[in-house]
Amino acid sequence: DVKVTQSSRYLVKRTGEKVFLECVQDMDHENMFWYRQDPGLGLRLIYFSYDVKMKEKGDIPEGYSVSREKKERFSLILESASTNQTSMYLCASSFGSGSYEQYFGPGTRLTVT
Amino acid sequence: GENVEQHPSTLSVQEGDSAVIKCTYSDSASNYFPWYKQELGKRPQLIIDIRSNVGEKKDQRIAVTLNKTAKHFSLHITETQPEDSAVYFCAAILTGSARQLTFGSGTQLTVLP
Repeated sequence: DVKVTQSSRYLVKRTGEKVFLECVQDMDHENMFWYRQDPGLGLRLIYFSYDVKMKEKGDIPEGYSVSREKKERFSLILESASTNQTSMYLCASSFGSGSYEQYFGPGTRLTVT
Repeated sequence: GENVEQHPSTLSVQEGDSAVIKCTYSDSASNYFPWYKQELGKRPQLIIDIRSNVGEKKDQRIAVTLNKTAKHFSLHITETQPEDSAVYFCAAILTGSARQLTFGSGTQLTVLP
């Protein structure tokens, strides 16, 4: 069974804190993605990675960075959290090589106060 | 880049009725159009997809139609049931390119008993 896990379901941080969100997939997928989900805005792509140590900006990368040191793990980093980064964060992965179905993690609800 | 508009944002139907959700896309080169379903508190999951060389695809009670000329595609759910209540996202992509899926803003479907 396909499995994408995220390190936390709920997270509360203070403004200015550094925040790490981790995502792990056990399917040997090449591609991994970070989205944020806000009501009325759908799923917006923050960053994605198609290989270890590779990363590409999505539509809304400002204020975020990512790290992919191992194939199965993709981390999203908020260098200095701000209240406008309060959101639901979803990680996803896909096989690559012409396969476009994305498998999502359960999401992390981040609140920045 | 691609822009996907999705309507309506909310939809309520009586159990047993049909539901239709529509999406329009801006890039005429896009050729793959998936639909994801996200039940309350759960992760999005792919339910059906269509490629541009096909005008319609069915899977039991759900179907997707594509009009390439008008650049729009629709999700049709017949004989709706309470378990169809969820947020539905459409998406579009040009396969084989460096682009990634662009999602619509989502439709909250509520099936009333």
